[in-house]
Amino acid sequence: EAGVAQSPRYKIIEKRQSVAFWCNPISGHATLYWYQQILGQGPKLLIQFQNNGVVDDSQLPKDRFSAERLKGVDSTLKIQPAKLEDSAVYLCASSIAGGRADTQYFGPGTRLTVL
Amino acid sequence: AQSVTQLDSQVPVFEEAPVELRCNYSSSVSVYLFWYVQYPNQGLQLLLKYLSGSTLVKGINGFEAEFNKSQTSFHLRKPSVHISDTAEYFCAVSPNQAGTALIFGKGTTLSVSS
Repeated sequence: EAGVAQSPRYKIIEKRQSVAFWCNPISGHATLYWYQQILGQGPKLLIQFQNNGVVDDSQLPKDRFSAERLKGVDSTLKIQPAKLEDSAVYLCASSIAGGRADTQYFGPGTRLTVL
Repeated sequence: AQSVTQLDSQVPVFEEAPVELRCNYSSSVSVYLFWYVQYPNQGLQLLLKYLSGSTLVKGINGFEAEFNKSQTSFHLRKPSVHISDTAEYFCAVSPNQAGTALIFGKGTTLSVSS
């Protein structure tokens, strides 16, 4: 079974530029999560999708971050414009049904450096 | 709001020694608890989870954890570690409210040396 795929793996941009990350969850998984992991901290949820609907985006900085999940499969996370404090690893995860007990499967992440 | 505290940011141990990584959570209601491991340049991988039932949970790679409701703890243990266990370990709780995203602790770096 293929795991969660993310691209790119690394990205370096200047502040005020825009950037986009892509995630392909495990086939058949209804729930998709985007987490932000700042160096020295645990992952923090940015947004959660159930199929193609948003379940929770309360911690997403909506003035600069946006995300979509087309047709309930792939997802894209965008930052525009980027700030220095956006430097982090962006992790995508998926689970089969989004239940509290369900295991979340994580992709390898995209490491973003904002200069 | 629920939170997770990992009491040690770094734990250095020698190969074949036992190890305990400590995790405390705050919650007044039932919780689901998880331990994830993150190897360098990789995503997080589930080690084990506690949902209900037996308080001793066994996971992959010889790890186990004990849920202690009275002390609100969920410590991770391994009786004999290997060099390959060197990684970052995260304790997490699943909130009992709308949305199922995990709340993670800050992580514990386990460094195993020979």
